[in-house]
Amino acid sequence: QQQVKQSPQSLIVQKGGISIINCAYENTAFDYFPWYQQFPGKGPALLIAIRPDVSEKKEGRFTISFNKSAKQFSLHIMDSQPGDSATYFCAASKNGNKLVFGAGTILRVKS
Amino acid sequence: EAGVVQSPRYKIIEKKQPVAFWCNPISGHNTLYWYLQNLGQGPELLIRYENEEAVDDSQLPKDRFSAERLKGVDSTLKIQPAELGDSAVYLCASSLRGSDGELFFGEGSRLTVL
Repeated sequence: QQQVKQSPQSLIVQKGGISIINCAYENTAFDYFPWYQQFPGKGPALLIAIRPDVSEKKEGRFTISFNKSAKQFSLHIMDSQPGDSATYFCAASKNGNKLVFGAGTILRVKS
Repeated sequence: EAGVVQSPRYKIIEKKQPVAFWCNPISGHNTLYWYLQNLGQGPELLIRYENEEAVDDSQLPKDRFSAERLKGVDSTLKIQPAELGDSAVYLCASSLRGSDGELFFGEGSRLTVL
């Protein structure tokens, strides 16, 4: 059972454009929703995270939008740069335990 | 501050051979995780330790996989015997207890089973 569904599988964006990656979850008990960034040959690294008591969180060029009723959340990367090219994973957990990851989105930012 | 250290980075073995991976977490991190990452997929939890206790090993295939975390610091993940389908990246991560789920991952150990 895939608890977190992520889309699209891959994404190509022009430099300076907006990258948008979406995730949907099923378990309403989830209370922590992070996004991880992974470069080739490296482990995933936390990018930004949100809890369901807020609808949006922004850190620099990265924003998470959260829709509790729809059980969806998304990552927006503003002013996308070639250095943002990586694989992005959404994830979810309950009480900070057993983080469940989406299948990942490969982002390529064209210069 | 040193991050999570894993070794070996790469391992190629014949099927039915044993293999072991080692992980040294960030100093002071009580919680240690082993994740499996298949090509083109997200990480999947194999086992989670709180100090030296395995608190969640429900996804660990116990017929061939084993893990230990002696003294609540370093950890070893073993596969015996390895099968072709075990080819993947094995990621170790650590976190502070009560850290709201922020995991710090190592670079992973890539296993190829021939």
